[in-house]
Amino acid sequence: AQTVTQSQPEMSVQEAETVTLSCTYDTSESDYYLFWYKQPPSRQMILVIRQEAYKQQNATENRFSVNFQKAAKSFSLKISDSQLGDAAMYFCAYTVGSQGNLIFGKGTKLSVKP
Amino acid sequence: DTGVSQNPRHKITKRGQNVTFRCDPISEHNRLYWYRQTLGQGPEFLTYFQNEAQLEKSRLLSDRFSAERPKGSFSTLEIQRTEQGDSAMYLCASSLTGTGGDEQFFGPGTRLTVL
Repeated sequence: AQTVTQSQPEMSVQEAETVTLSCTYDTSESDYYLFWYKQPPSRQMILVIRQEAYKQQNATENRFSVNFQKAAKSFSLKISDSQLGDAAMYFCAYTVGSQGNLIFGKGTKLSVKP
Repeated sequence: DTGVSQNPRHKITKRGQNVTFRCDPISEHNRLYWYRQTLGQGPEFLTYFQNEAQLEKSRLLSDRFSAERPKGSFSTLEIQRTEQGDSAMYLCASSLTGTGGDEQFFGPGTRLTVL
């Protein structure tokens, strides 16, 4: 079965500090893409960052970066200089090849303390 | 374009009734997806369309569920003979097909409560 595991149901970080959210996945495919999506309270889900599995270089988007360990099937998200607006549910997900469906983890609820 | 829209935003129905949800994707997007999200869980894939063709359906999509995307534009998701277990947030997303791993843009969802 294809699965995504987010082992931290909740995390908390102080404003301006750095936090890392964990994600492991399980697929036997070689062509896949990994994502982190953010779902703020009562707002729609938006893409945070995307990683192609064939690329060794870790993706970065401003304050957001990933640590992609392909052999370990690990895809963690690091948020630097945390801001109050980063408070949300964060979902790790992947899709295989040209298939459309995203497979999501259960999410990590991130709180940011002022 | 204002993004993916879904209507209604909330729906309360009695068990056994039929309900229909609508999704309007971003206009140039050729793919449209439906997901279901229950409390404390991540979204679960239900089905997706490329243009008007329904390319994949999850085993989660029982015979009571049907989705359409006439003319490859908006889509509807109908649930017949609703059950309490159908209570969930139904999310729609759209994307423009590229080489794979396309970003999906999500709508605000329709929250269904079955009494």
